[in-house]
Amino acid sequence: AQSVTQPDIHITVSEGASLELRCNYSYGATPYLFWYVQSPGQGLQLLLKYFSGDTLVQGIKGFEAEFKRSQSSFNLRKPSVHWSDAAEYFCAVARNEDNDMRFGAGTRLTVKP
Amino acid sequence: GAVVSQHPSWVICKSGTSVKIECRSLDFQATTMFWYRQFPKQSLMLMATSNEGSKATYEQGVEKDKFLINHASLTLSTLTVTSAHPEDSSFYICSAAGTGADTQYFGPGTRLTVL
Repeated sequence: AQSVTQPDIHITVSEGASLELRCNYSYGATPYLFWYVQSPGQGLQLLLKYFSGDTLVQGIKGFEAEFKRSQSSFNLRKPSVHWSDAAEYFCAVARNEDNDMRFGAGTRLTVKP
Repeated sequence: GAVVSQHPSWVICKSGTSVKIECRSLDFQATTMFWYRQFPKQSLMLMATSNEGSKATYEQGVEKDKFLINHASLTLSTLTVTSAHPEDSSFYICSAAGTGADTQYFGPGTRLTVL
């Protein structure tokens, strides 16, 4: 079965600083990989996804992620964080044959003024 | 883009009562719908997967008699929490995927509080 690890439970960055959220996955085949953002009390918003092709994926709100097969990683990056980016971020992996999706534990992002 | 709605967004009920949560795909036909549960400050845990017209497949540890799932049409799935207890209080999120789709679209979630 597929699984996801997000090593960082909580990250604090200053507004304007760069951001990288880590995600490692475990799956025998090429996975479908996703990053979602969740604001308090809200549902999930898809930031970006990787299925195949170019390993650097561009998403909404200025986010990007890079799939590295050799490291089983799919880290999320943003060059300059805004205060509105403060939220919970979830990495997810799905099996490509049946959409069975598993989520990481999440990383809570705090943005300092 | 694909839109998934949930109703109600927030519900409070007394212990022992049953609560029904609806999940609708508004602009596409969802052959598969998923139900997740999220406790405060925790991740989403898949409860069950339902395909239109067939019985739901429950994850290990999820009581199928307590969490009744019906996926009667291609745009509607319901989750009924039967004889709810305070420990069932949680944030329930559904998602939907169309035929051959490789992306799930998530609803906004329903917060259930059982007194």
